[in-house]
Amino acid sequence: KNEVEQSPQNLTAQEGEFITINCSYSVGISALHWLQQHPGGGIVSLFMLSSGKKKHGRLIATINIQEKHSSLHITASHPRDSAVYICAVSLDGGSQGNLIFGKGTKLSVKP
Amino acid sequence: NAGVTQTPKFQVLKTGQSMTLQCAQDMNHEYMSWYRQDPGMGLRLIHYSVGAGITDQGEVPNGYNVSRSTTEDFPLRLLSAAPSQTSVYFCASSYSWGSYYGYTFGSGTRLTVV
Repeated sequence: KNEVEQSPQNLTAQEGEFITINCSYSVGISALHWLQQHPGGGIVSLFMLSSGKKKHGRLIATINIQEKHSSLHITASHPRDSAVYICAVSLDGGSQGNLIFGKGTKLSVKP
Repeated sequence: NAGVTQTPKFQVLKTGQSMTLQCAQDMNHEYMSWYRQDPGMGLRLIHYSVGAGITDQGEVPNGYNVSRSTTEDFPLRLLSAAPSQTSVYFCASSYSWGSYYGYTFGSGTRLTVV
């Protein structure tokens, strides 16, 4: 069973393009997280969402609790955005330390 | 530098050997957790801790032990390594600030069991 599904699995874009990565989940959650994993392997937390929309620089994350869906948008993409983007959820009533992850979306931005 | 420190970065073990993956954080975070990452799969939770002296199992706990004697340290022990434990292991700590909480991940340990 896949409680967290991401699409697409792989995405290639040209520099400057607007990018959207989608995440759907099938369980009740208390929060949704977007993470970035660089080619070297390090994982960085980008956003935590429980409702609405958040923006940080060229990154925008939205969540629709009723539809159990979240999107991560990258505006004016750049080759340095190339990474794996991972969606993870904290289960409703679960421990803060307990995340369920999607399989990730591998993004490659070409110059 | 503040953060989560994992050691070692790379390790090769023979089947049946035991070892401990170290994880330390200096941010006074209450929550710590261990994940493994395998090709084609999302990260999966092995064990987690909500504070010193308190640990619980995650999705894939078999073959691993943990303890949390201090807030700073959360070691992961492989009791008798098996090839199925070949993976990349990540330790993470998390903090809460009101209704917000965030995660800091270690740089990972790449383990190969032969």
